[in-house]
Order: sequence, then structure tokens, then C-alpha cells
Amino acid sequence: EAGVAQSPRYKIIEKRQSVAFWCNPISGHATLYWYQQILGQGPKLLIQFQNNGVVDDSQLPKDRFSAERLKGVDSTLKIQPAKLEDSAVYLCASSLNFQVPGELFFGEGSRLTVL
Amino acid sequence: AQSVTQLGSHVSVSEGALVLLRCNYSSSVPPYLFWYVQYPNQGLQLLLKYTSAATLVKGINGFEAEFKKSETSFHLTKPSAHMSDAAEYFCAVSDRAGGTSYGKLTFGQGTILTVHP
Repeated sequence: EAGVAQSPRYKIIEKRQSVAFWCNPISGHATLYWYQQILGQGPKLLIQFQNNGVVDDSQLPKDRFSAERLKGVDSTLKIQPAKLEDSAVYLCASSLNFQVPGELFFGEGSRLTVL
Repeated sequence: AQSVTQLGSHVSVSEGALVLLRCNYSSSVPPYLFWYVQYPNQGLQLLLKYTSAATLVKGINGFEAEFKKSETSFHLTKPSAHMSDAAEYFCAVSDRAGGTSYGKLTFGQGTILTVHP
């Protein structure tokens, strides 16, 4: 079974530039999450999708971050314009259904460095 | 809001020694609790989870954790450390059904485990 795929693995940009990250969850997983992991901290939830609908985006900085999951499968997270404090690893995770407490499957992450 | 506190950002043990990683949660209602492991440059992987009445939970790679309601704790243990256990470990919490954070994980700060030969 293929795992959660993310790209790119690494990205270096200058502040005020834009960047986009892509995630393809495990086939059949209805729930998709984007987490931000700043160095030395635990992952923090940015947004949660159930199929193509948003369940929770309360911690997403909406003035610069956006995310979509148009067909209920893969997802894109965009940052525009980037700030220095956005340097982090962006983790995508998926699960069968968030209403059944179970395992989240994580991708390897996309490491963003903002100069 | 749910939260977890991991005591000790770094833990160092000798190979073959007991591993004890501490996690305390804040909630008036027993939540669901999880331990995840992250190896360098990899995503997080579930070690074990507490979602039922069984307070002692066994996970992969010889790890186990005990839910103690009276102490609001969910400490992770392994009787004998192996070099391959070196990684970062995260405790996480989620509300049960009906709670505001149901279906979402809130992670602790993480504990880096170093294993010496």
C-alpha cells in the first residue's frame, strides 16, 4: 500500500515570495490534515479536510495561507507571501475517517526555509 | 482546549537500559491518547494508542504505555533500549466523541531519545 506522498521535499525561498506544497493521501482516506512543525516543537494542526470539505481551519493564518482539496483526494497548501517565521516542515497526514479515532498516516514532510 | 506536556526535551539512556518518556495531559474527561515516533527526515509513525478501557497499552517495537487517570499521565516505557530506538517521540491527545477537539490530534513538544552503546 502506497503511503502519503508529499512534494517538494525541500524548498528555499526569500521572504515575500510564494510557495505551494502538494499532498496525495492514502487511497480511500477521507480525512486529510496539514500540520506545521517548527524546529524544536510538536506538529501544529493548520487545516483538516473531510473529503473536499473543511472541518477545521481555525489555526490557519488565512491572510497568507490557503489550502484546497477540490476533488476530495489530493491537496495543495499555499503560502503567499511567505514570512521568515514560516520556516518549518509542513506535514500532510491522512486517516480513514476522523470520526473513528485511529491512526494518522504521515508523509515525510516538505521542509521550507524562508530567507 | 486539550493539551499535553512532555517532561524532558532530551532523554539519554544506555543500550539495554529502561526507557521512560513522560507525558501528562490536561482534561477533566479522559481523552484519547497517542504516542508517535519520528525518525530523522521522516514523517511520524504511530507507536500505540489509548482509546478504550484497557489502561495498559502495548505498541510496536516493544513499547508500552499505561494510562493513569489519577495522575493524568500516559508515560511511555520500554524495558530494554536498542540503538534503533533513537528518535524523537511525541505524545498526542484527542477528545472523545462530543468534545470540541474530537478527531484532531494536539501534540506535545517532543522528547528526543538518545541511546548510548
